[in-house]
Amino acid sequence: EPEVTQTPSHQVTQMGQEVILRCVPISNHLYFYWYRQILGQKVEFLVSFYNNEISEKSEIFDDQFSVERPDGSNFTLKIRSTKLEDSAMYFCASRLTGTANTEAFFGQGTRLTVV
Amino acid sequence: QKEVEQDPGPLSVPEGAIVSLNCTYSNSAFQYFMWYRQYSRKGPELLMYTYSSGNKEDGRFTAQVDKSSKYISLFIRDSQPSDSATYLCAMTANSGGYQKVTFGIGTKLQVIP
Repeated sequence: EPEVTQTPSHQVTQMGQEVILRCVPISNHLYFYWYRQILGQKVEFLVSFYNNEISEKSEIFDDQFSVERPDGSNFTLKIRSTKLEDSAMYFCASRLTGTANTEAFFGQGTRLTVV
Repeated sequence: QKEVEQDPGPLSVPEGAIVSLNCTYSNSAFQYFMWYRQYSRKGPELLMYTYSSGNKEDGRFTAQVDKSSKYISLFIRDSQPSDSATYLCAMTANSGGYQKVTFGIGTKLQVIP
């Protein structure tokens, strides 16, 4: 069964460092998303990406964040200068189409710990 | 008012019990409703996906949507210890565009053998 794959599963970084979280969406999907979940809080939307550009972003997704699809398979989230409050689980999701009646499939997540 | 309200629990039930999980929402634009199951430190796993008001059944799971009351429910029959997880309600709007998913905080369920 096709699945969304995320690496690494756990990343520890020092405050102020740059991190890149990687995702391989399901191969024929066209819409890609990043969500995050701070421990004990709800899963929150960060950004959606389609046709090599950001289509929507939340207020959380400030200038410290960027996304990229550097090749035909990977989808990355970069945090330029990490802060303690960036510590969270980051989930990548993909969807075949952009219409609401198609399912979003989530990866297993990357646990980011900023120390 | 939060867009999606969900009681975080925890909810403890004996094995074999019927479990009822609920969410309310405030945004009338939400038209598609989902329930995800999330095990500790794992990604959300889609359980049920509904659009219409009414019931949808899949094995031991029944999803119920009442759009007039902005209220959705998930029922689990004959609950098993393996059902112990956090259950997230989620919804998307039918407003075109890129359909981000809005989640509730999740209800933590423990089924006791």
